[in-house]
Amino acid sequence: DSGVTQTPKHLITATGQRVTLRCSPRSGDLSVYWYQQSLDQGLQFLIQYYNGEERAKGNILERFSAQQFPDLHSELNLSSLELGDSALYFCASSVLGVRGTEAFFGQGTRLTVV
Amino acid sequence: GQQVMQIPQYQHVQEGEDFTTYCNSSTTLSNIQWYKQRPGGHPVFLIQLVKSGEVKKQKRLTFQFGEAKKNSSLHITATQTTDVGTYFCAGHNNNDMRFGAGTRLTVKP
Repeated sequence: DSGVTQTPKHLITATGQRVTLRCSPRSGDLSVYWYQQSLDQGLQFLIQYYNGEERAKGNILERFSAQQFPDLHSELNLSSLELGDSALYFCASSVLGVRGTEAFFGQGTRLTVV
Repeated sequence: GQQVMQIPQYQHVQEGEDFTTYCNSSTTLSNIQWYKQRPGGHPVFLIQLVKSGEVKKQKRLTFQFGEAKKNSSLHITATQTTDVGTYFCAGHNNNDMRFGAGTRLTVKP
């Protein structure tokens, strides 16, 4: 158990719909990252938040948005969903520890758009 | 912004053969991490390299950080079926961490 919680684990929705993915980072971790992983593909960086503020943006579509709340949990909103948005969405939080800056990943949310 | 490229995308080896994946950054990194994602799982931290030219070993795995701190490699000696998965590098700089696309390793028994 990484300590990062993502909900829901699975989500099936229709094209054109909107969904919200939720991430609770490890206690004390200020950074939250969102990644998209399509079938058998690598990790595509979407966006990073640090202590409530957007820190870096990757290949995130305009239909997607995210935010980090004062309690540090984060939500990724995906709207006007398309078939190609079907993927595994990971959230990770990071902290500077004894082994260095280590990212801890949640189990992911598998989104299927039909 | 910071870009991290990783090659190869896929690697198929016979059990017992060696395996290497390479990571290159467009910018100088403060450190680089390596992660392993087993099939159906999530990425798990393996190691972090910080110093220029640093080499670290974990049993059959050897990790190296380039002198310019812009490239890194992971070498596995005598692969085993338990090594299957996708190996990701992650370059870190100024609180910004970017992952490479990963190298998916399959091992034929």
